[in-house]
Amino acid sequence: NAGVMQNPRHLVRRRGQEARLRCSPMKGHSHVYWYRQLPEEGLKFMVYLQKENIIDESGMPKERFSAEFPKEGPSILRIQQVVRGDSAAYFCASSPWSDSNQPQHFGDGTRLSIL
Amino acid sequence: AQTVTQSQPEMSVQEAETVTLSCTYDTSESNYYLFWYKQPPSRQMILVIRQEAYKQQNATENRFSVNFQKAAKSFSLKISDSQLGDTAMYFCAFMKHWTGTASKLTFGTGTRLQVTL
Repeated sequence: NAGVMQNPRHLVRRRGQEARLRCSPMKGHSHVYWYRQLPEEGLKFMVYLQKENIIDESGMPKERFSAEFPKEGPSILRIQQVVRGDSAAYFCASSPWSDSNQPQHFGDGTRLSIL
Repeated sequence: AQTVTQSQPEMSVQEAETVTLSCTYDTSESNYYLFWYKQPPSRQMILVIRQEAYKQQNATENRFSVNFQKAAKSFSLKISDSQLGDTAMYFCAFMKHWTGTASKLTFGTGTRLQVTL
């Protein structure tokens, strides 16, 4: 019974490149959340998705960042033209449709480093 | 909007002793959930304990218990018989009751707990 799977665990990009972070929710979970943790800070909400729909993207930067959760396959957080300030740990969490008051289960995160 | 405040950036406790981590929050919601998550050096996010606001009884999970004071909007975590493996960052988090729309978590800034011999 696999938990939330994120890959890669570590990602290094040069300024101006694109970063793609992947998240497969727990089996049976149809809600996905992305959070960002800057060094020495707490987690900040970015976006909440259900299959094929973005429900809440109030925490997502308006430019360069996008997220999707297609009908088939993992959720993708995409950062275009990365800058040094994008260096952070990006966590994905999931919860089931039937009871979204259940606590969110987190993946191990992707550590993004920008050179 | 909800806010979560953890006023203790760092705490230290000796092995086998008891420590209490503080958390206060601000919300206009009447129905919500509160959580404590643990983040060890491995950086995983591990759920420690959960409290439902409509329940007066304080949640407990083995050595972990909370003191939930709804009127004061306070939600502290007590760790009894501290162990070296409890060394971690601890985050307090708030979540609105789900009513068919998004239930994101709002986190505090964390308390770094060091358990010493």
